[in-house]
Amino acid sequence: AQSVAQPEDQVNVAEGNPLTVKCTYSVSGNPYLFWYVQYPNRGLQFLLKYITGDNLVKGSYGFEAEFNKSQTSFHLKKPSALVSDSALYFCAVRDGGNTDKLIFGTGTRLQVFP
Amino acid sequence: NAGVTQTPKFRILKIGQSMTLQCAQDMNHNYMYWYRQDPGMGLKLIYYSVGAGITDKGEVPNGYNVSRSTTEDFPLRLELAAPSQTSVYFCASSYRGSGANVLTFGAGSRLTVL
Repeated sequence: AQSVAQPEDQVNVAEGNPLTVKCTYSVSGNPYLFWYVQYPNRGLQFLLKYITGDNLVKGSYGFEAEFNKSQTSFHLKKPSALVSDSALYFCAVRDGGNTDKLIFGTGTRLQVFP
Repeated sequence: NAGVTQTPKFRILKIGQSMTLQCAQDMNHNYMYWYRQDPGMGLKLIYYSVGAGITDKGEVPNGYNVSRSTTEDFPLRLELAAPSQTSVYFCASSYRGSGANVLTFGAGSRLTVL
């Protein structure tokens, strides 16, 4: 069965520093991987996805993610964090079949301090 | 273009009461989903639909029912509310094309069962 794991409940980083939010996956076949962000009292918003091709995927708001097949990881990164990046981040993998059903990780809360 | 609209935003129910969470999308998406979000648990899929008249169970369907009479609407029914159904519910939709498509989420419905 497909699954993703987010090993950190919370990540703290100072504004201007680089940030990394970790995600590892377990899939049968080729993985379709996603990152979503949730701001307080809002729905989830799409950040980026990996289907195939370049291992470095660029997304919204300056975020990028690196797909690493050998380490089965898909870490979210940003070179310089902003206070406004503080939110809940979810990694997800497509469940397969004929739908776009996603299986989500448990989420990582990112806190960026001024 | 409203995207995915959920109503109500907040609701308090007594144990044993019934209610319907409404979801509507105006993007002509063929796939629709209901997820519930519990703290520290990520999002779990309740039900999904690949088109009008077609629904299927997700990971946590017990205590819920859905229908999909039109492409636009995908209501979620709680027949006998229980405290375990206290959660935030998200409706999402996607358009099935080639490759993995992105889910668009509503803003959520917060349900408390007392």
